[in-house]
Amino acid sequence: DAKTTQPTSMDCAEGRAANLPCNHSTISGNEYVYWYRQIHSQGPQYIIHGLKNNETNEMASLIITEDRKSSTLILPHATLRDTAVYYCIVRANSGGGADGLTFGKGTHLIIQP
Amino acid sequence: DTGVSQDPRHKITKRGQNVTFRCDPISEHNRLYWYRQTLGQGPEFLTYFQNEAQLEKSRLLSDRFSAERPKGSFSTLEIQRTEQGDSAMYLCASSRQGAGVNEQFFGPGTRLTVL
Repeated sequence: DAKTTQPTSMDCAEGRAANLPCNHSTISGNEYVYWYRQIHSQGPQYIIHGLKNNETNEMASLIITEDRKSSTLILPHATLRDTAVYYCIVRANSGGGADGLTFGKGTHLIIQP
Repeated sequence: DTGVSQDPRHKITKRGQNVTFRCDPISEHNRLYWYRQTLGQGPEFLTYFQNEAQLEKSRLLSDRFSAERPKGSFSTLEIQRTEQGDSAMYLCASSRQGAGVNEQFFGPGTRLTVL
């Protein structure tokens, strides 16, 4: 799986959009970008994934650059409950996604009241 | 609550003792994963089951660790002769086999402290 680079921590004001960047310059053509988050004392939670097109769901939007070397997770209206560690993971989908996920250290997002 | 449950939530043991953790996945999920997470780090993959078959094991899974999923439903993770370095959060996740991407649903974890 390609390596990802994320900032260690970020702050965002409550109600504002939180934009979390991820660099994955060695991504290959069959690798997807996944985002998970982990709220304190809980297991990780899936947020969104994409291959090359931008994606949006009820939780967030994922913007992937045209060269696919970086992406941004957007939480449109951050709330205090969005304070968590956010993990960007790049992996191939061979075998229907059966392989274990490779987590880095992620970005600790702190939403300020 | 994701629907994945783990028991116990916390375990304190003395070095050298054996411990066993249980994971109950979402009922229709045939894939089950175990991860370990130490303080300040992301989860690390340990092993994976499809139904009752253990299909992948990480090099992190030493000989003291054994996992089973006897009937393709719940799974157990046993650690023999525990060491202080085994202190960590042990996470279980499940997913459903299907075409395309499979989202993994994680349980709350079992926190192990080895004294």
